[in-house]
Amino acid sequence: AQSVTQLGSHVSVSEGALVLLRCNYSSSVPPYLFWYVQYPNQGLQLLLKYTSAATLVKGINGFEAEFKKSETSFHLTKPSAHMSDAAEYFCAVSAIYNQGGKLIFGQGTELSVKP
Amino acid sequence: NAGVTQTPKFQVLKTGQSMTLQCAQDMNHNSMYWYRQDPGMGLRLIYYSASEGTTDKGEVPNGYNVSRLNKREFSLRLESAAPSQTSVYFCASSYDRGTEAFFGQGTRLTVV
Repeated sequence: AQSVTQLGSHVSVSEGALVLLRCNYSSSVPPYLFWYVQYPNQGLQLLLKYTSAATLVKGINGFEAEFKKSETSFHLTKPSAHMSDAAEYFCAVSAIYNQGGKLIFGQGTELSVKP
Repeated sequence: NAGVTQTPKFQVLKTGQSMTLQCAQDMNHNSMYWYRQDPGMGLRLIYYSASEGTTDKGEVPNGYNVSRLNKREFSLRLESAAPSQTSVYFCASSYDRGTEAFFGQGTRLTVV
């Protein structure tokens, strides 16, 4: 079965500092991996996705993530945080060839950005 | 292009009442999902439909039923609401199983 673990339910950074949100996955077959962002009282919006092409994936708003099979990780980074990045971030995993393609989410990491 | 539309946006139920949450997508997607979001627990999959005519249980299906009415619509029914079902419910759809999902704006449900 697939699962996702996000390390740290809350992360706080200063504006202009590096953002690093951690995600580790478990999957018995090659996974598809996603990062979503949720702003207050809104639905989820896709930031980026990994679907077995390039291991370094670039997304919207300057975010990127690197798929590391040996570490079963898919950490999200941004070189310089902006106040508008404050939101909740979710990592998700799916496997097209297994379990009907269920999309399973981690518990989320709330990002705070200090001025 | 509306994307994924959920109704209602807010609902208050009394314990034991029933209701149906509606979801429709206009992107010609094959797969649809229902999640619930609770503080500190992320999004948990209730039911999903990989394609029209099929439905499968997710992580937390107890107390819920679903109907994939047609390719566009996927409804979630609470037969006898309980306070533990107080949550924010999200419907999502994706072109195919396992591809990126697009989310509705959510239904905030309170059971008293």
